[in-house]
Amino acid sequence: DAGVTQSPTHLIKTRGQQVTLRCSPKSGHDTVSWYQQALGQGPQFIFQYYEEEERQRGNFPDRFSGHQYPNYSSELNVNALLLGDSALYLCASSLARRGYSNQPQHFGDGTRLSIL
Amino acid sequence: GEDVEQSLFLSVREGDSSVINCTYTDSSSTYLYWYKQEPGAGLQLLTYIFSNMDMKQDQRLTVLLNKKDKHLSLRIADTQTGDSAIYFCAESIKMTTDSWGKLQFGAGTQVVVTP
Repeated sequence: DAGVTQSPTHLIKTRGQQVTLRCSPKSGHDTVSWYQQALGQGPQFIFQYYEEEERQRGNFPDRFSGHQYPNYSSELNVNALLLGDSALYLCASSLARRGYSNQPQHFGDGTRLSIL
Repeated sequence: GEDVEQSLFLSVREGDSSVINCTYTDSSSTYLYWYKQEPGAGLQLLTYIFSNMDMKQDQRLTVLLNKKDKHLSLRIADTQTGDSAIYFCAESIKMTTDSWGKLQFGAGTQVVVTP
């Protein structure tokens, strides 16, 4: 049973560039959430996707956007990269179909993004 | 408001019990979680508790919840060197009547286990 997988594991970009990070949810899960974890801090919620739509969004600018595909996999896109975007980006998946009580979010190992 | 607070550091001797504490402020939170993060890795779900419970035990892990004080703790019995990691407390913020949204995390507690 494959867990949450993210690619790439590491990425180096320069200011102003754009980046796309990818996530495949745990088998059987239908919801994907993205988090940003700066060094020495707890993860901060970016947004959540369910049924191919953004369902909830945290306090992140429009430079951060996402997508969910029919197979439930997801992408996180960040435009006009800033030095402050350097962080570990974590994807979490869960099952949220109606009728299921709270199902915990399971995390991947993240993508380490460095901005030069 | 939404705020989760944890102590930043805990040192414990191998074989002793560890207790990690957490406070939260969002009264709508109904599920509370403990995650473990080892260096260079993502977050591993350890356990979670529903707010109508006071305690949950899972092998070496015991979670205690004081809903009145909004205080959550994680006790690790017989702490091993492999338990050295950062531990995050998180609360689940409810979005609708049947769906759960974002997790609000604390800053994490660095646990160091010494021989």
